[in-house]
Amino acid sequence: AQSVTQLDSHVSVSEGTPVLLRCNYSSSYSPSLFWYVQHPNKGLQLLLKYTTGATLVKGINGFEAEFKKSETSFHLTKPSAHMSDAAEYFCVVSRDTGRRALTFGSGTRLQVQP
Amino acid sequence: NAGVTQTPKFQVLKTGQSMTLQCAQDMNHEYMSWYRQDPGMGLRLIHYSVGAGITDQGEVPNGYNVSRSTTEDFPLRLLSAAPSQTSVYFCASSYSLATTETQYFGPGTRLLVL
Repeated sequence: AQSVTQLDSHVSVSEGTPVLLRCNYSSSYSPSLFWYVQHPNKGLQLLLKYTTGATLVKGINGFEAEFKKSETSFHLTKPSAHMSDAAEYFCVVSRDTGRRALTFGSGTRLQVQP
Repeated sequence: NAGVTQTPKFQVLKTGQSMTLQCAQDMNHEYMSWYRQDPGMGLRLIHYSVGAGITDQGEVPNGYNVSRSTTEDFPLRLLSAAPSQTSVYFCASSYSLATTETQYFGPGTRLLVL
C-alpha cells in the first residue's frame, strides 16, 4: 500500500522569505509524485510533477521540488514567497496498480504575511 | 476551452433526498473521476471512468452512482443523501490512465446535507 504524509498542516511565512512544504511518501515501487495547489474556492491546479529522470523538478510560479528516493521525500520549495502563494498545497502519489488512483496527502495551508 | 466544469456550485439537501452533480469536460479526455474533499483528509476517490460506458468504484463509492454515456459528461448521483455526504466534490479528467498524467480539476461543488 502507498501513503503520503504532509508533515505540516499549516505553514506561515513572511512575504519575500523562503517556503518549504514537506512531503514524505511510502511506496513499494517507483512512484510518480505531484504537487497540486488549491486557491480558496477553486479547483486543484498542477504545480509540478516527478515521473522519471531528473530528480529536481521545476514547476510554475517559481516552485520546485526534489525527489529523494533514499529519504522517500518530495519537499516543495520556493526561494521567495509572494502574497499570491497563499493557498492549500497537496502532495500526491500515483498508484501503479491495475486500477489507477491517486493518493492525496492531507494538505498544507500556506499563509503569507505582509 | 472551458476545461472541467461542474454544476451546481453549492447545494443544500435534506436527508433522504436525491440529486445529481454534473461534470463536463471539453478536452476529449478519456479518464474522468469524482473525488470528495473532507477537512484534514485530502481527496478521496469515489468513482472513475476510463471511457464512455466504462465505470468503476474508487475508495469510497457507497451511496453514489455514476454513468458515462458520452466522453464529455460524467454525472455523480446521490441516491438518498445522508449527513455524512456533506463535503466538497471535485470532478477531474486526464488524457489517459497513465500514472504520469496530469489531472485537471473542476471548481468543485459544495454539498450540505441536513
